[in-house]
Amino acid sequence: DTGVSQDPRHKITKRGQNVTFRCDPISEHNRLYWYRQTLGQGPEFLTYFQNEAQLEKSRLLSDRFSAERPKGSFSTLEIQRTEQGDSAMYLCASSFPGRPKQFFGPGTRLTVL
Amino acid sequence: GDSVTQMEGPVTLSEEAFLTINCTYTATGYPSLFWYVQYPGEGLQLLLKATKADDKGSNKGFEATYRKETTSFHLEKGSVQVSDSAVYFCAPAFKAAGNKLTFGGGTRVLVKP
Repeated sequence: DTGVSQDPRHKITKRGQNVTFRCDPISEHNRLYWYRQTLGQGPEFLTYFQNEAQLEKSRLLSDRFSAERPKGSFSTLEIQRTEQGDSAMYLCASSFPGRPKQFFGPGTRLTVL
Repeated sequence: GDSVTQMEGPVTLSEEAFLTINCTYTATGYPSLFWYVQYPGEGLQLLLKATKADDKGSNKGFEATYRKETTSFHLEKGSVQVSDSAVYFCAPAFKAAGNKLTFGGGTRVLVKP
């Protein structure tokens, strides 16, 4: 399977705990994007990387959120001190250099109790 | 800032009916335009795209034409099937903004036999 993969697919945590998600993009893609989708809404942009550089962060990405892509391949998204409002589907996408078409992973569904 | 307005759903149709979902965007430039589809229980899939004015994207019987003068990218299908039941998202991507996608709220389509 050469598509975008995300792990875990589901995560249930208690409020105040930290969680980390992983995204493995398509290997030739140098751009990697994170989005968040809450129930009944369209995905919202969080941040994106070109290789290992984080080029933009949305205002939605509070200081409890941090994303990394240390070697320009996989990326992690960490949420510290989770809140119930963080419950959502976290989507990762990747693209070829300079090309607008993005390929999406299956997402990680986070539930904060 | 850049934004997209998408026809609200749900849209309920009978099989073989004509479907149209309106999408308009506001922007200072000329984005690439995408329609993504999310089938029940599945991830986001690219349905079709258009990268410049007057381009027509098509896939699986769906079509959308990039209308620069009206900043629109309406989705159409002449004869829907039950299997077309899904949520459809319109999303422009701006090269100057790293090609991040700005999604509409989504339109839920339900096709009844």
